[in-house]
Amino acid sequence: QVQLQESGPGLVKPSGTLSLTCALFGGPISSSCWWTWVRQPPGKGLEWIGEAYDSGRTNYNPSLKSRVTISVDKSRNQFSLRLRSVTAADTAVYYCARGRDWGYDDVRLDYWGQGILVTVSS
Amino acid sequence: DIVMTQSPDSLAVSLGERATIRCRSSQSVLYSSNNKNYLSWYQQRPGQPPKLLIYWASTRESGVPDRFSGSGSGTDFTLTISGLQAEDVAVYFCQHSYGTPRTFGQGTVVEIK
Repeated sequence: QVQLQESGPGLVKPSGTLSLTCALFGGPISSSCWWTWVRQPPGKGLEWIGEAYDSGRTNYNPSLKSRVTISVDKSRNQFSLRLRSVTAADTAVYYCARGRDWGYDDVRLDYWGQGILVTVSS
Repeated sequence: DIVMTQSPDSLAVSLGERATIRCRSSQSVLYSSNNKNYLSWYQQRPGQPPKLLIYWASTRESGVPDRFSGSGSGTDFTLTISGLQAEDVAVYFCQHSYGTPRTFGQGTVVEIK
């Protein structure tokens, strides 16, 4: 059974860097999957942040692209999110998810972590 | 970027009745190479992460009750819950995967009337 678990600081200072890790249990980080981050500000909708393939290929939301890095660490069976220069607008629940690629870039998010609330405040 | 717009923002339905949610994309999400609509629906119950319900616009994920159905093609899609149950109270999101960014709709809140 695939499980994903986010970890990292729940509080980040403005202008700092948000760093989260998602550990994968129940299977190896593998090809055919885009390892994805999605966030949800309190009481609001879902925002797709970006995704990374195990080969190092990445895709990012243009609205965040200048500040975000997603990377995969196959040796630790985890993937990570770094978001630089954060402001209060980055306060959200951050979810990691597995985006299984069924070919022809047909990707759907079939497993999700429980989410972690990150607050940006001094 | 493809913009996903859902309607309504919220709806209240009596138990056992039908709930219908619409999702419109700003451009077609029909992939010509395989004739599949790259449109998924997710359910998010209170305090929980989203859960994949439907992909390819109309194919139910394994284990999803058959009261959930999806339809549509191109730019216009519908999620129908036939016979609303108490456990269906949730926010429902559509998402496209026709390229990146793989944007979500703003969500539709379904409540019991």
